[in-house]
Amino acid sequence: DGGITQSPKYLFRKEGQNVTLSCEQNLNHDAMYWYRQDPGQGLRLIYYSQIVNDFQKGDIAEGYSVSREKKESFPLTVTSAQKNPTAFYLCASSIGDSQPQHFGDGTRLSIL
Amino acid sequence: AQSVTQPDIHITVSEGASLELRCNYSYGATPYLFWYVQSPGQGLQLLLKYFSGDTLVQGIKGFEAEFKRSQSSFNLRKPSVHWSDAAEYFCAVGAQAAGNKLTFGGGTRVLVKP
Repeated sequence: DGGITQSPKYLFRKEGQNVTLSCEQNLNHDAMYWYRQDPGQGLRLIYYSQIVNDFQKGDIAEGYSVSREKKESFPLTVTSAQKNPTAFYLCASSIGDSQPQHFGDGTRLSIL
Repeated sequence: AQSVTQPDIHITVSEGASLELRCNYSYGATPYLFWYVQSPGQGLQLLLKYFSGDTLVQGIKGFEAEFKRSQSSFNLRKPSVHWSDAAEYFCAVGAQAAGNKLTFGGGTRVLVKP
């Protein structure tokens, strides 16, 4: 079945550590997105990529970095510069303009 | 800039009763509108979408939504709620001019009483 796979499901970060969240899709979608979800809030866009080797900052990109070397993969790195990283992170993909986004099951990141 | 407001943070409804979730958006042109549902600890599942045409849109799980341009609203409805409908619901607006980015509302959590 086609879909989006996020791993790991749970992740813990130590102070000063960078961590990378994986997102893989086999839907052959061009566009991919990373969102952050905090309790009681909607989703906020971190980064998005509409094509391989290109990506743009979203609304809350500070303290995060991404790469898009392959169409299927869009990993998100939470750097030590992100002072409040505890959240639920969702990856999504879309076939293109104006089309619905399809979501993975998320990664919950916590601080040790 | 696009914005979405879901005025109700929580709604409690009895099983078998009708449900209506409100969504108001702000966008200068014709938007693309979506409703998603999220179960705890899970990703978001698309319920329905509006791009153009008929303003009453049918979705999965017996949900429907009506686009009202004059009121900048896209409310979600279900005639008879099942216990499995307990979840969080998100309205989202997108626009081609915005690079297919979606702006989400804050969500409405639905509790279903037996």
